[in-house]
Amino acid sequence: GAVVSQHPSWVICKSGTSVKIECRSLDFQATTMFWYRQFPKQSLMLMATSNEGSKATYEQGVEKDKFLINHASLTLSTLTVTSAHPEDSSFYICSAIDRSQTYNEQFFGPGTRLTVL
Amino acid sequence: EDKVVQSPLSLVVHEGDTVTLNCSYEVTNFRSLLWYKQEKKAPTFLFMLTSSGIEKKSGRLSSILDKKELFSILNITATQTGDSAIYLCAVEAGNTDKLIFGTGTRLQVFP
Repeated sequence: GAVVSQHPSWVICKSGTSVKIECRSLDFQATTMFWYRQFPKQSLMLMATSNEGSKATYEQGVEKDKFLINHASLTLSTLTVTSAHPEDSSFYICSAIDRSQTYNEQFFGPGTRLTVL
Repeated sequence: EDKVVQSPLSLVVHEGDTVTLNCSYEVTNFRSLLWYKQEKKAPTFLFMLTSSGIEKKSGRLSSILDKKELFSILNITATQTGDSAIYLCAVEAGNTDKLIFGTGTRLQVFP
């Protein structure tokens, strides 16, 4: 199946700093990617839909100025957590849609664990 | 508001037991229901269901959808310790590609 990578796999930062997470589709082009957040022992919560060449669509309650999404190419979307605080500590997972398949299956990246001190 | 609910939230069994995980949903314009297994990292795909009454099977895992009663079940027979994971149910609905995830069921299988 299609492969999606994320970088970094984990990051620890100080409160107030910004952190950028990359999501790449390695063997297919993805016009649409998704960013999810998962807190311990909870399910995946969709944060935003990332569209190549246009603005991201954010879910209700997600601050667009805090979670900046850029999808500048067909294989890369980035999520920047600006002025991170301890409550932003979470597991961030991206997914990408391979539209060359019969079904628009979402392929998930391995996730990035963010810890804000 | 679209909603996906899984039960039980947590399940502890011994190897060899059979388990049934439940997923119910209330969404507008249902398109498909998907099951995923999540161990330490990202979810891995198990099944996609779009039609009622047709069982999908893969080894010891099987799943079926009831679009009238708005639920799906995931069965795992002869459980093994390697089945220990969080099982996620997600529904695709409406005109977008977004997935609405359920709360997840944490399965622990002990020897």
